Amino acid sequence: GAGVSQTPSNKVTEKGKYVELRCDPISGHTALYWYRQSLGQGPEFLIYFQGTGAADDSGLPNDRFFAVRPEGSVSTLKIQRTERGDSAVYLCASSPGLANNEQFFGPGTRLTVL
Amino acid sequence: KQEVTQIPAALSVPEGENLVLNCSFTDSAIYNLQWFRQDPGKGLTSLLLIQSSQREQTSGRLNASLDKSSGRSTLYIAASQPGDSATYLCAALTGSGYALNFGKGTSLLVTP
Repeated sequence: GAGVSQTPSNKVTEKGKYVELRCDPISGHTALYWYRQSLGQGPEFLIYFQGTGAADDSGLPNDRFFAVRPEGSVSTLKIQRTERGDSAVYLCASSPGLANNEQFFGPGTRLTVL
Repeated sequence: KQEVTQIPAALSVPEGENLVLNCSFTDSAIYNLQWFRQDPGKGLTSLLLIQSSQREQTSGRLNASLDKSSGRSTLYIAASQPGDSATYLCAALTGSGYALNFGKGTSLLVTP
């Protein structure tokens, strides 16, 4: 596709459940980023992949959060034992991977934990 | 840690007015600064990117300036239209060179 895509667009789950959020980056982009945006706030960095490896996961809030990118393209953000405080919009972005490149964002997944 | 602040938090103007949105950052050692637009319930659309070596960028009715020494960027919108109504976010790329630090945004309403 032409842009970054994310699925699902909306996810409603119950407290304690496991969820997976998917990101398809722009074809050929080696760098992939996950951000989280809470209501009324700007996005906050979670994790950055360069190729298949997580180059920096310092933004993940705790060990319930994990992300993978096994083939260097699609990435999945996984959240275990969800809590109400995890409710937010999860945004994915990609870039060609060189330093200082412009990041292109997907439409986001709105996660609601009841 | 880079702190990015946007003023004002909200702005309402009549159609046709020129307006300026402000963004300030605490760490002047930035690689670049991006301005984004976000419509309600949507993702981010990149508007302009200014590299650290540049002073400004222009796209159509939009002009963004960057003053690293004072830690400021402005987004100028000329001849505003109701379709410009959205939240505008600025983000600075610092430190590691890949994690964007965002402000909270300015919510703009342009009334007909």
